Amino acid sequence: QLVESGGGSVQPGGSLSLSCAASGFSFSNYWMNWVRQAPGKGLVWVSLININGGITAYADSVKGRFTISRDNTKNTVYLQMNALRAEDTAVYYCARPRDGGYYLDFWGQGILVTVSS
Amino acid sequence: QSALTQPRSVSGSPGQSATISCTGTSNDVGGYNYVSWYQQHPGKVPQVIIYDVTKRPSGVPDRFSGSKSGNTASLTISGLQAEDEADYYCSSYAGSYIFIFGGGTKVTVL
Repeated sequence: QLVESGGGSVQPGGSLSLSCAASGFSFSNYWMNWVRQAPGKGLVWVSLININGGITAYADSVKGRFTISRDNTKNTVYLQMNALRAEDTAVYYCARPRDGGYYLDFWGQGILVTVSS
Repeated sequence: QSALTQPRSVSGSPGQSATISCTGTSNDVGGYNYVSWYQQHPGKVPQVIIYDVTKRPSGVPDRFSGSKSGNTASLTISGLQAEDEADYYCSSYAGSYIFIFGGGTKVTVL
């Protein structure tokens, strides 16, 4: 399973760090993604990281503000979010792609991040 | 990184077919055979129903099918059932490890 944590409320300009703990599969063999969904809105891909952290990618909307990382010894992927804006308010999902695939076949339950003054 | 374009809503009666389009560009939908579709019921986590344009994961009913022509992908639900009422999202690989989702389509079974 994938279990997100670290969400909550933060003021604009603030920072928050999300964690996603994986279990039940060989975490170190899988790339990992973050996807978000603003309240009542659609899915937006945020970021991905490869198996050893050597490759990362970001949506333009978060580039330079968010950083994805992972610790394979802890089976955990992280999303450090800085300079948060109201439009970053969303449920953040961590998601695993099918091994070697270009689609997400395993999702966490999501965690809510609210950016508001 | 513009979102893929989907109709906001599609509806049909039980037993009818419904088709959702997903329009991108030659840099995403048209450039790769890596279009996937996700179904999301209210309050639930998205679930993949089509991947690599036309493939169905095990357990997904065969009334769901995918196709692509040029820069537009499509999801067809043949024989609509009440439980198909949900939001549907397309997604495409866009190169350089970037992925893009569509804005989502609400399917209503009348």
